[in-house]
This record gives sequence, C-alpha cells and structure tokens, in this order.
Amino acid sequence: GAVVSQHPSRVICKSGTSVKIECRSLDFQATTMFWYRQFPKQSLMLMATSNEGSKATYEQGVEKDKFLINHASLTLSTLTVTSAHPEDSSFYICSASYQFEKLFFGSGTQLSVL
Amino acid sequence: GQQLNQSPQSMFIQEGEDVSMNCTSSSIFNTWLWYKQDPGEGPVLLIALYKAGELTSNGRLTAQFGITRKDSFLNISASIPSDVGIYFCAGQRSDSWGKLQFGAGTQVVVTP
Repeated sequence: GAVVSQHPSRVICKSGTSVKIECRSLDFQATTMFWYRQFPKQSLMLMATSNEGSKATYEQGVEKDKFLINHASLTLSTLTVTSAHPEDSSFYICSASYQFEKLFFGSGTQLSVL
Repeated sequence: GQQLNQSPQSMFIQEGEDVSMNCTSSSIFNTWLWYKQDPGEGPVLLIALYKAGELTSNGRLTAQFGITRKDSFLNISASIPSDVGIYFCAGQRSDSWGKLQFGAGTQVVVTP
C-alpha cells in the first residue's frame, strides 16, 4: 500500500531556531498534502493544506509566517516552524492525498522546543 | 476547527469484552473515518464509511454511518490486548476533501 514518510521523527531545538519537517509520498504522487498538529492527550487539528505548485491555505488561527509550507514537487511537502518557541512543542503529522480517493498519514514528528 | 463529540473519553475493559464508542456532530459529513493511533505514531485507518446507513466490518471491528449523517459508531468485539490505543473518529465534508475533523479520541485499555 501507499506509504507516507515523515522526517525527522523527533527533533529537539532551542527557542528561536527554525525547524524543517519533511513529508514524502514514497510510491505515489500526492497533489495535496495536509498538515496537522496534535498536543499531548488531544486530538489532531488541521493546520494547513499544501497544494503542489501553489501557496498553502491555512486554517483559521494558524500563522502562515510562522508555519511555512512548501510543496515543490508531487512527492514532497515541507513544514518549517520558524523562530520556534516552547508553545510550538507538539506532534506534527502530515497526510497525503492519492487521486482524491485515499488519504495516508505519515508517522509524525515530535517537536520539543527548549 | 471544531471537534466532533466523541465518547467515551476512555474505557477500561477486560480481555474478551466488547467495546463501543461513538461520535456525533452538529454538521453533516459525507464520509466518516475511524482511526487508531499508537503513542508517537500517526493514525492508522481502520474503517471508512461513505454512505448514510452503511455498516462496514473489518475483522472484529464494525462501524456504521448514521442515517442523519451526523453520527457514527465503532464496535470492537472480543477485545484483545493489542486493541489498546486511542481511537479517533474523523468526519469529512463534501466540499472539503481531505480536510478531516477529528473527535477527541477514546482511550481503550484492555486488561488480561
């Protein structure tokens, strides 16, 4: 079956630095990818929709200048958390769309900002 | 985004017992999905439902898409220790393909 790879699985960074998270569709072309955030013991909340070759669309309340999304190819979307602060510590998960029929989730990235 | 109302929040059951959880929404969805998430992992799809009234099984799992399109339930029969985890419902609207609204999750703990 289709596989979505997310890297890194864990990252620890200092406050004020930027962190890039990659989401790759390994055996299919994903025209659309989605980024979610999950705080401890909470549910997944959609942050943004990433479309290949165009600007991402962000959900209400998500700062687009803080969470930069780039979807430069049909197999890769990146989420960059800029000037990270402790409150940005969270589990970030991507999903990728296959032919508008199926969705596949990555394994997530645990971000800890010190 | 607004979360779905998922209940119960947690369940502590003995091995062999059945488990039931449900989700309700004030909005209509055209797709209901049930996922299981293990700690530190992304959610894994268990069952997808596409039509109101649809009843679908996947092994010991059974899920139904409510007639009103505003609710869904998931049953797990004869639970086993590996059923431990957090189960999430997710709804998708017809005008928002791929954008899922998740319930708050049901933590299932199975004791031998």
